[in-house]
Amino acid sequence: KQEVTQIPAALSVPEGENLVLNCSFTDSAIYNLQWFRQDPGKGLTSLLLIQSSQREQTSGRLNASLDKSSGRSTLYIAASQPGDSATYLCAVYAGNMLTFGGGTRLMVKP
Amino acid sequence: NAGVTQTPKFQVLKTGQSMTLQCAQDMNHNSMYWYRQDPGMGLRLIYYSASEGTTDKGEVPNGYNVSRLNKREFSLRLESAAPSQTSVYFCASSPGRTSGGLQETQYFGPGTRLLVL
Repeated sequence: KQEVTQIPAALSVPEGENLVLNCSFTDSAIYNLQWFRQDPGKGLTSLLLIQSSQREQTSGRLNASLDKSSGRSTLYIAASQPGDSATYLCAVYAGNMLTFGGGTRLMVKP
Repeated sequence: NAGVTQTPKFQVLKTGQSMTLQCAQDMNHNSMYWYRQDPGMGLRLIYYSASEGTTDKGEVPNGYNVSRLNKREFSLRLESAAPSQTSVYFCASSPGRTSGGLQETQYFGPGTRLLVL
């Protein structure tokens, strides 16, 4: 059974810092890996999707990498802003299912 | 273009009552999904519909039924609600697979908060 773990569970940083969120998964037979953002009381918004054949994807200040062989992904956020405060969820697609990690709650302080 | 809409936004039920959560998408997506989100458990897939006319169980299907009414709508029914079904329920949709076989991203609705007393 696929298991997805995210570390740390919570992170607080001052504005302007670069930061890295980590995601690990147990079964490397995945179709893709996705990073989502969830604001309190809201649904999920897709940030980046990395296909299994890709190594990284970039969108603005966000960069996500994928190392299938080691079962790891990282989400790099450059020059963090208070508006980046949210919960970030990693999910892997295998079979016909997305399996989610528990999320990292990020707070960026002004 | 409203994306994925869910009704109701919030509901309180008594144990044993039944209800149906409604979901609709206006993006002409083939696949639709129902998840529940619980503290400490993350999001877990309840049921999904890969295409109109098909439904399949996910990780936690017990106590739920689904109906893919048409391409736009996918409902989730609780026949006899239990306190363990207190959760936030999310519906999602996806185009499905590309012509090249790649799975596309899922788009989520705002959620339904359900409290079962």
